[in-house]
Amino acid sequence: EPEVTQTPSHQVTQMGQEVILRCVPISNHLYFYWYRQILGQKVEFLVSFYNNEISEKSEIFDDQFSVERPDGSNFTLKIRSTKLEDSAMYFCASGGQGYGELFFGEGSRLTVL
Amino acid sequence: DAKTTQPPSMDCAEGRAANLPCNHSTISGNEYVYWYRQIHSQGPQYIIHGLKNNETNEMASLIITEDRKSSTLILPHATLRDTAVYYCIVPRGRVQGGKLIFGQGTELSVKP
Repeated sequence: EPEVTQTPSHQVTQMGQEVILRCVPISNHLYFYWYRQILGQKVEFLVSFYNNEISEKSEIFDDQFSVERPDGSNFTLKIRSTKLEDSAMYFCASGGQGYGELFFGEGSRLTVL
Repeated sequence: DAKTTQPPSMDCAEGRAANLPCNHSTISGNEYVYWYRQIHSQGPQYIIHGLKNNETNEMASLIITEDRKSSTLILPHATLRDTAVYYCIVPRGRVQGGKLIFGQGTELSVKP
């Protein structure tokens, strides 16, 4: 069964460093998303992406964040200068045209020291 | 998203049906009800969705009341692996290209 894959599964970084989280969505999907979950808290929407542009973003998704689909298969989330409060599990998701469901990856745990 | 209300936790005996309720009294006529679950820190997993008719798939059944103000997710024969947080979501606006708002959900514990 096709699945969304994410790398790395866990990344530790120093505050102020740039981080790139990578995702390979399901191959025929057109809609791509990033969500995050701080330990013990709710899953929060960050951004949705369609047709090579952001279609919706949350207040969390400020100028420190960016997304890109560089090569038609990968979908990346970049955090330009990490803060302690960026420590969280980041989930990538994808969805197909006409489908109501989103398919989530297993997540990338980011720890900022 | 339309506001949903779920009990914070429920227990269920292994092999029995788990019935998870959700209130969504402010739902509009063309809004769907979606159910997802999250098994301990894994990515959320889609279960089922419906508009007004009852729906069934290989994972679960969804019963939506006639007035659409509430629904029940039924896991017919719960197993230990069904222990998870279950989220009832009523997206306001488009799903694809939009966003899902996850609440606190119902933490279901399936016990032997």
